[in-house]
Amino acid sequence: EAGVAQSPRYKIIEKRQSVAFWCNPISGHATLYWYQQILGQGPKLLIQFQNNGVVDDSQLPKDRFSAERLKGVDSTLKIQPAKLEDSAVYLCASSLVFSGKGPNTEAFFGQGTRLTVV
Amino acid sequence: DQQVKQNSPSLSVQEGRISILNCDYTNSMFDYFLWYKKYPAEGPTFLISISSIKDKNEDGRFTVFLNKSAKHLSLHIVPSQPGDSAVYFCAASASTGNQFYFGTGTSLTVIP
Repeated sequence: EAGVAQSPRYKIIEKRQSVAFWCNPISGHATLYWYQQILGQGPKLLIQFQNNGVVDDSQLPKDRFSAERLKGVDSTLKIQPAKLEDSAVYLCASSLVFSGKGPNTEAFFGQGTRLTVV
Repeated sequence: DQQVKQNSPSLSVQEGRISILNCDYTNSMFDYFLWYKKYPAEGPTFLISISSIKDKNEDGRFTVFLNKSAKHLSLHIVPSQPGDSAVYFCAASASTGNQFYFGTGTSLTVIP
């Protein structure tokens, strides 16, 4: 079974530039998550999709971040314009279902995209 | 507001001994808990989970204990192996919610 694919692996941009990350979840996984992990911290949820609908984007800085999930499969996360504090690893994850607890709710993560804003 | 806390940023253990990683949570609505393991330059991988209806779940060398009254869970690794050296995150969710909350991680080093 192929895992969660993310690209690019690394990105360096100047502040105020824009950047986009791509994610292909595990086939058949209805739930897709984007997390931001700042150095020394745990992953923080930015946005969660169920198929192609947004379930939770309460922690997404909507003035600069946007995300979409095309046809309920692939997803892109965009930052425009980037700030220095956006430097982090952006993790995409997917799970078969989300029911709050129980089997098949654990998330499978991609390798992440390390973003450095200079 | 950090709802899931891992107060030990690092832990070193001799190979063959027990590793105990701790996690505390503040939200009494949390009823499902997971541990993830993360190697450098990789995404976290799911390790083991426990539901609030249990107080222990075991999978090979890994056992998770849940103390609901203390809002505390721990991961025991016995015996520890050098390949276990990684950062371990605990995460929690509530059946009334829709996301996992992660702790800040504990870096485990198993010394050969």
